[in-house]
Order: sequence, then structure tokens, then C-alpha cells
Amino acid sequence: SQQGEEDPQALSIQEGENATMNCSYKTSINNLQWYRQNSGRGLVHLILIRSNEREKHSGRLRVTLDTSKKSSSLLITASRAADTASYFCATAVNSGGSNYKLTFGKGTLLTVNP
Amino acid sequence: KAGVTQTPRYLIKTRGQQVTLSCSPISGHRSVSWYQQTPGQGLQFLFEYFSETQRNKGNFPGRFSGRQFSNSRSEMNVSTLELGDSALYLCASSLSGEQFFGPGTRLTVL
Repeated sequence: SQQGEEDPQALSIQEGENATMNCSYKTSINNLQWYRQNSGRGLVHLILIRSNEREKHSGRLRVTLDTSKKSSSLLITASRAADTASYFCATAVNSGGSNYKLTFGKGTLLTVNP
Repeated sequence: KAGVTQTPRYLIKTRGQQVTLSCSPISGHRSVSWYQQTPGQGLQFLFEYFSETQRNKGNFPGRFSGRQFSNSRSEMNVSTLELGDSALYLCASSLSGEQFFGPGTRLTVL
């Protein structure tokens, strides 16, 4: 079953614009992670935010987490054509003594036009 | 450090056959997880191994199995292949939360 649900499903913007993707989930989590995937290849880890954190930055990426609303957002500033990819949020819950069981959303397909 | 490697990268099998996929984690990582990605179901968790023990399992039939060796390398096996098993199979290794994914094995079942 899907824990995270990204919104929108697809987003098309011009280079230089900001892109915002949202993720909602259903149950309490240990942490939430964002990943990027280029055209059916492996996933690239972008950022991890723990349940007791509210905001994290990494380069042009900004992630927020609102555990009361069970939602997260990923902001990519000053987008580039190379940012074109699918973006997934994944939630980790404690299970079997591990928090490595990730539940992924369906993803947002971001297209950045040059 | 070398990343997660998966072999083979591409595989074509016929219904009823079995297949074994291999994953070598990043050096020092003891947790290895497997995921299946299909257009219809998206990314789904298969199982996770840590120190040769399966710690978590997803909702897949018993035809899907895995194991981990003492050097943390992992294999997954799918027996009696079905057309619906066609997918990208991703392996990820982890040390402290972030999971690092390999390039995947694309399995096509004819």
C-alpha cells in the first residue's frame, strides 16, 4: 500500500523557476526521505528529514516536514534542465527493529524546459 | 567508495523459469533492502537483510526470496516466474538511515 502520496503527479516549469512538490502520508513515521530517479534508472538519495525536524536544506533543495498534517514538501530553487526527473518521497517507520523499510509514493514527474 | 552494484543489469526470462539477482552493497553497509518497481504498482518493498538475517518482509508471495552472505552481499531469487514479475528490481544499502540505491536489474518475463 502507498504511504506517501506526491502532489502534483506532473509538473512542467521553465529553467530558473522554482519547483515545489508535496507529499502526504498516513501513519506516524521515523523519518521521511526524498529521492530522484532519472528515466527508469536507480534512485538517488536527496535528503532525509527526521520526525523531530521541521526543515532541512541541501544546496538548492529545501524540505519541510509537518508531522501534525502528515505532510512534507520539497522545494527546488532556480531549477535547471538537469533537474528533469521523477521525485519520490518515502517514509520510514520502525519495523522489526529497523527503520529501513521505506514506503514510497507514486512520484512527481518534473520537467524543466530550457 | 564504490556505490551499490547490481548484476546483471538486464535479464530476459520466460514464464516458469527462475532467476537470481545479485547486489553488492557499499563497503561497510550491513543493511541491504530490495524493491520492485513497476509502472502500475510503483516502488514496493520486498525485504531487508541485516547481518545475514531477514528483518523485514513486504507483501510478496513466497516465490520471492532472498539471502545475505557474511560479506553483506545479497541475492534475491524469484521462482516460477510470471509475466507480472517483469519489473525493475532495485537494491539499496544503508548504514544509518539514508538508503543508497544501485542501478537496478531490469527483468523482462516473456
